[in-house]
Amino acid sequence: GNSVTQMEGPVTLSEEAFLTINCTYTATGYPSLFWYVQYPGEGLQLLLKATKADDKGSNKGFEATYRKETTSFHLEKGSVQVSDSAVYFCALSDYSGGGNKLTFGTGTQLKVEL
Amino acid sequence: GAVVSQHPSWVICKSGTSVKIECRSLDFQATTMFWYRQFPKQSLMLMATSNEGSKATYEQGVEKDKFLINHASLTLSTLTVTSAHPEDSSFYICSAPLGLAGYNEQFFGPGTRLTVL
Repeated sequence: GNSVTQMEGPVTLSEEAFLTINCTYTATGYPSLFWYVQYPGEGLQLLLKATKADDKGSNKGFEATYRKETTSFHLEKGSVQVSDSAVYFCALSDYSGGGNKLTFGTGTQLKVEL
Repeated sequence: GAVVSQHPSWVICKSGTSVKIECRSLDFQATTMFWYRQFPKQSLMLMATSNEGSKATYEQGVEKDKFLINHASLTLSTLTVTSAHPEDSSFYICSAPLGLAGYNEQFFGPGTRLTVL
């Protein structure tokens, strides 16, 4: 079956530091890949996505590249801010049988300090 | 963007009672909605796919008689936890995709915290 593995947290960084959150996946077909963010007290929000190999998703300074050869979709940001503190979920979408089923990683909590 | 709401945001109930959680798409129609369960510091686990006008599709290991899903309209899906027990305590989240294609964005509700005493 499909699975998503992402690095455990919490990840604690100083403001303006470089961020990498690793994500690897296992899928039988050609999934779309997503990063979702969950701010404290809020629902999950789509941060970025990539629908095919070598696509780069980007939003709010975050980016991730769909690497089919390494089955990875690592999230990066060059300079984090305190407001980026949240839980980040890597996910893939499986279209087998139709629909939008999402398989999530365990989430990585990011804490950014001044 | 599209908004999905859930009600209630939290509920505490006694063991043996039933609890209904509502999921609404506020500004778009959703023929499909998804129900997830999230344990502390763990991933979201898909429980079932709610289909408007037809029966829900449950994931393997999810008791359909325990978790009743009704998708009576294009903007409302409900999850009823029947005869709740402490092990059902969890964070329940719904989502709805905008559009039909698999790569469209899903919009998530803020979640419902269920505590069964």
